[in-house]
Amino acid sequence: EPEVTQTPSHQVTQMGQEVILRCVPISNHLYFYWYRQILGQKVEFLVSFYNNEISEKSEIFDDQFSVERPDGSNFTLKIRSTKLEDSAMYFCASSSRVPYNEQFFGPGTRLTVL
Amino acid sequence: TQLLEQSPQFLSIQEGENLTVYCNSSSVFSSLQWYRQEPGEGPVLLVTVVTGGEVKKLKRLTFQFGDARKDSSLHITAAQPGDTGLYLCAGASAGNNRKLIWGLGTSLAVNP
Repeated sequence: EPEVTQTPSHQVTQMGQEVILRCVPISNHLYFYWYRQILGQKVEFLVSFYNNEISEKSEIFDDQFSVERPDGSNFTLKIRSTKLEDSAMYFCASSSRVPYNEQFFGPGTRLTVL
Repeated sequence: TQLLEQSPQFLSIQEGENLTVYCNSSSVFSSLQWYRQEPGEGPVLLVTVVTGGEVKKLKRLTFQFGDARKDSSLHITAAQPGDTGLYLCAGASAGNNRKLIWGLGTSLAVNP
C-alpha cells in the first residue's frame, strides 16, 4: 500500500542552524501539507502546497519557513534559523484531491533544537 | 477561530467494555476525519464522514457525523487492548477544505 515517507526520523540541531525536512508523498497525490505537533499539544497546520505553489499558510509559517518540491517526488520543509520553540514533531501529508480531502500522513520527523 | 473539542481527554476501561468518544464544535465542517495515533508516529486515517447524519462502521468502530455537521462521535464495541491509542478528530472547514482543524484527542487505554 502506498505511503508517505519522511526523513530523517529524528533531527537534532543547534539554535540558529538551518534544517531541511524531507518527505516523499504518495505518488499520484496532488496536494501536500506540513503540520507540526508540539509535545502534548494539538496538531497544527503549517502550509498546503498545490501546483508548485503555496495555497495556504498559517501564522506559524513565517519568513523562517519555506517549502519546495525540487523534483517530481520530494517535498521539503526548510527552517532557516531554528529557534528553541521549533522543537516538535513535523508531519508531512498528501491527498489526492478535494473535496473530501482525505490526508495521509507520514511517520514524522522529530526536531530537537538545542 | 474554529475549534474542535474532544471528550473525554483520557479514558481507561477494561477489555470487553463499550465506549464512546466525542468531537464537538460550534463550526460547520464539510468533512470530518478520525485518525488514530501511536506514540512517536504519524496519525493514521480511520474514516472520513461527509454527510450530516452519516454513520460509518469499521469492524467494531462506529462513526457518526452530526446532522448539522458540527460534531461527531466514535463508538467502540467490546474494546480490546489493541484499541489502545490516541484518537484524533480533524475537520475540514466548509470554506477551506484543504486545512484540517484538529482536536486534542482522546487517549484510550484498554486493560486486559
